[in-house]
Amino acid sequence: GQQVMQIPQYQHVQEGEDFTTYCNSSTTLSNIQWYKQRPGGHPVFLIQLVKSGEVKKQKRLTFQFGEAKKNSSLHITATQTTDVGTYFCAGFTGGGNKLTFGTGTQLKVEL
Amino acid sequence: DAGVIQSPRHEVTEMGQEVTLRCKPISGHNSLFWYRQTMMRGLELLIYFNNNVPIDDSGMPEDRFSAKMPNASFSTLKIQPSEPRDSAVYFCASSSQGAETEAFFGQGTRLTVV
Repeated sequence: GQQVMQIPQYQHVQEGEDFTTYCNSSTTLSNIQWYKQRPGGHPVFLIQLVKSGEVKKQKRLTFQFGEAKKNSSLHITATQTTDVGTYFCAGFTGGGNKLTFGTGTQLKVEL
Repeated sequence: DAGVIQSPRHEVTEMGQEVTLRCKPISGHNSLFWYRQTMMRGLELLIYFNNNVPIDDSGMPEDRFSAKMPNASFSTLKIQPSEPRDSAVYFCASSSQGAETEAFFGQGTRLTVV
């Protein structure tokens, strides 16, 4: 079945440093979504990418969808303590209804 | 809108007991998902409904798990009999216009089976 892996599993950074998490799917995705889950909270939708090679920005966050639509990345510039949480990618296969979540990257930001 | 509402927020039960988790999706959403989250296995999709019909239940661990959606505003996930390995946070999520749109998650139910 479809597998969606993320690396790294954990990342500790100093406030102000950049952070990147990478998402890789075993199958081609029709689109990809990114979610953030704060400690003790629930996943919250951040963005959806649909087109091959698409790049979207939300303030300090930059999202990319790979050319082959099998990988994606999330880059945070100049992390802040409010960025703490676990970031998940989630993907659909073409025509499928199953939204499969990646393994997640837990980000900790230290002052 | 109050968002996706799950109950109870916390449940502690003894092994062998029946557990029922409840979910009210966002009004107007026609897709509903049940996920289970554990440290070891991450976020697993258990079952997905579209227009109250179960579409994919391949993630349901075993026959002890069952899910129903009797109408557009209510769904249940039942575990009987419960086992300690079922301890996890169970999330319900809903979305509109089918599956390939943003999913809105409830606050989750933290289940502990002792």
